[in-house]
Amino acid sequence: EAQVTQNPRYLITVTGKKLTVTCSQNMNHEYMSWYRQDPGLGLRQIYYSMNVEVTDKGDVPEGYKVSRKEKRNFPLILESPSPNQTSLYFCASRETGKGYEQYFGPGTRLTVT
Amino acid sequence: QKEVEQNSGPLSVPEGAIASLNCTYSDRGSQSFFWYRQYSGKSPELIMFIYSNGDKEDGRFTAQLNKASQYVSLLIRDSQPSDSATYLCAGFMDTGRRALTFGSGTRLQVQP
Repeated sequence: EAQVTQNPRYLITVTGKKLTVTCSQNMNHEYMSWYRQDPGLGLRQIYYSMNVEVTDKGDVPEGYKVSRKEKRNFPLILESPSPNQTSLYFCASRETGKGYEQYFGPGTRLTVT
Repeated sequence: QKEVEQNSGPLSVPEGAIASLNCTYSDRGSQSFFWYRQYSGKSPELIMFIYSNGDKEDGRFTAQLNKASQYVSLLIRDSQPSDSATYLCAGFMDTGRRALTFGSGTRLQVQP
């Protein structure tokens, strides 16, 4: 089954404690993204990657890091989380190009206290 | 100005009616558009995509694209309570990032 998986699905943590949210896709997609979703603001892209070892900033990259060492994996790293990073996070993947469906992971609800 | 604009709603329609969801976009060069449905707390799922001017139909759903007016719409015929969700419009606005830009979504409520 074609899918994007994320872990953990729910996470409550404290300010400053480093965390990683994993993302993996089994469709051999080149393009992967991380989004955050906040009420009234919609989905905003944090980082994206067009291929292995190629990553770049999206709309709201501050406070986040990513890496793409393998095609299937695209972890999101919060080195020093803050309460304003409390949000619902989605990983997504698709083929490169403008006309392809984007597949979303199930989401990770992060709360930073 | 946001690149993809949607009315946040809620749009309330009775069961069996046609729901009409609208979206405008700022990038005249945008070529392809997507409608996603998102239930509360769940991930977005693709409903329709459209590349060409005109209408595209798939079951109870019709997507309409008017590039001259920079306008995209989604019609849902015979609306069901299970259609109650937030509908996200998205398009490729930034050719450099090849990123999908999303509107903030319209919440649809179908009343039984």
